[in-house]
This record gives sequence, C-alpha cells and structure tokens, in this order.
Amino acid sequence: GQSLEQPSEVTAVEGAIVQINCTYQTSGFYGLSWYQQHDGGAPTFLSYNGLDGLEETGRFSSFLSRSDSYGYLLLQELQMKDSASYFCAVRDAGTALIFGKGTTLSVSS
Amino acid sequence: DVKVTQSSRYLVKRTGEKVFLECVQDMDHENMFWYRQDPGLGLRLIYFSYDVKMKEKGDIPEGYSVSREKKERFSLILESASTNQTSMYLCASSSSALQPQHFGDGTRLSIL
Repeated sequence: GQSLEQPSEVTAVEGAIVQINCTYQTSGFYGLSWYQQHDGGAPTFLSYNGLDGLEETGRFSSFLSRSDSYGYLLLQELQMKDSASYFCAVRDAGTALIFGKGTTLSVSS
Repeated sequence: DVKVTQSSRYLVKRTGEKVFLECVQDMDHENMFWYRQDPGLGLRLIYFSYDVKMKEKGDIPEGYSVSREKKERFSLILESASTNQTSMYLCASSSSALQPQHFGDGTRLSIL
C-alpha cells in the first residue's frame, strides 16, 4: 500500500530549531511537498523537493533523500505563530497528492 | 492571489438527505480536488478533476459523487448523507500537477 509516516506531535520552545521527518512508501514518486495548517484554517503550501537535497525558504528548509524515501522539514528560530499542523505530501503519479496524517507542532514561550 | 471559495463554512444536514458542497476558484486552474479531513487521519482524497466534465476517484469515493460542468466550479455531492460523513471537507485547485495546491477554508459538515 501507499503510506507516509510522520510524527503525530512535536513540542519546542521559541527560538529553537525543530525537524519534522517524513518517510514514504508509494508506488511512484514525483516530489515531496510540505503544507502548513493553522487551527481552523486552510492548508497552505510551504515547500517542494523534486530532487535530492536541501531547499531553503527563509526560516524554513526542506530536505529530500529519494534513495532513503525520506524527507524532513526544518523550522528555525521558532516563533509562537509556527504552532500549527504540518503535512508532508507525495505526488506518486498523475495529478493527485497523497498526504501524511500531519504533525502538530506546539511552540511555547 | 488565488482564491478558492467554498460555499458554506458550517453545514448541518440530516441522514438520508442529498447534500451539495460547492467550490469555486478564480484562477482558471485545470485541476480541482475534494478532500475530507478527520482528526488523526490527515487529508484523504475523495475525488479530483483535471478538466471540465472529467473526474477521477480518489482514495475514498464511496458515498460521494462530483460534478464539474464549468472550469471554475467543482461540486461534491453526498447522494444520501450518513453520520459517518460528518467531517471537514476541503476543496483545492492547482494549475498543473507540478504546482502547489491552493485550498479553500473548508466546510465543516455535520450529519445528524
């Protein structure tokens, strides 16, 4: 079957660095994406990795290793507003994405 | 900015009713998607469409149908609502398979 595994919860303090891992098992692979969803809000796109390596966007970075079927989202200089759910998603073929179950990040002061 | 608008934020219906959830996007996107989101289960794809009048089943299509008569509008239909369809429903669109999906704010549907 097709599956994406990510931790259900992560906690951290303001200013810290946190890494959210995602391992996937899919029939095909055309890239790993990350989405952020605040409580009661719509998921919003954060980053995409189509090739191995690190992609950096401000305080957020995302990494992919296709040989290990593994990626992560790295959040630096954490702020309270980063408290949200984070979803990894894989495009296995065609148009649709397969989403992980999400990681709830709680940032405390 | 892309805007994906879902017709209702909250909806309460009764079992056995036929329920329509409407979604409109304003960016001429080819692809549109319907997901349901339940605690601990993430986003699960119900149906998607890559063109007008075209539709593809997602992971959990049972009990649902869709309609895409115009490019900007994608409707999700619960043929005969049941309590296990109580959920948050999210609509999304994208310009192509390689582009990010843009989501609406969701419809929280309760079936009593």
